[in-house]
Amino acid sequence: KAGVTQTPRYLIKTRGQQVTLSCSPISGHRSVSWYQQTPGQGLQFLFEYFSETQRNKGNFPGRFSGRQFSNSRSEMNVSTLELGDSALYLCASSFGAGSSYEQYFGPGTRLTVT
Amino acid sequence: GESVGLHLPTLSVQEGDNSIINCAYSNSASDYFIWYKQESGKGPQFIIDIRSNMDKRQGQRVTVLLNKTVKHLSLQIAATQPGDSAVYFCAENSGGYQKVTFGTGTKLQVIP
Repeated sequence: KAGVTQTPRYLIKTRGQQVTLSCSPISGHRSVSWYQQTPGQGLQFLFEYFSETQRNKGNFPGRFSGRQFSNSRSEMNVSTLELGDSALYLCASSFGAGSSYEQYFGPGTRLTVT
Repeated sequence: GESVGLHLPTLSVQEGDNSIINCAYSNSASDYFIWYKQESGKGPQFIIDIRSNMDKRQGQRVTVLLNKTVKHLSLQIAATQPGDSAVYFCAENSGGYQKVTFGTGTKLQVIP
């Protein structure tokens, strides 16, 4: 079956702008998590959505937000972009329930803020 | 606070040898641990997981060991191959929700 897809793969934005990233999970998966990966901070958890509800949130400012649609696809939005927001943004999907925690990651969206 | 750390940032191993990647964690409430492999330009790939009620789990060429007494996790790769070259992350999930805390990563270099 198809894996996790993320669009766009690369993005260049200017400080102060906003950006929306998209993630399509594996069919049947209801949980989508978002992570930010930078050389300095590593992989950091942003938030997780399950059945259209934000179920958990990491320690990021309110400029970072997300949502999930009824088909489990998810978007994350970053407003008022800062240079420090340049990173690889990864989403991961899983069943999100029961005893399985196994997550499957997409290839990521590389965001560059200039 | 919660933290998951790695002992070594880079590990160089001869092809065919066994590799051992170590990880320390601090959250004693963590009940689930995962090892991921990330190749250049790709997202992390699940390798193997282990629950806190286990000490050892084996997969194909990989073994994860969990020592809860000293809060230590290790990944053993048997007969390391060039395709194993990547960054390896340990991660913990301390609750029923999918909030995963990642370690800083260890780069494994396989010398042909």
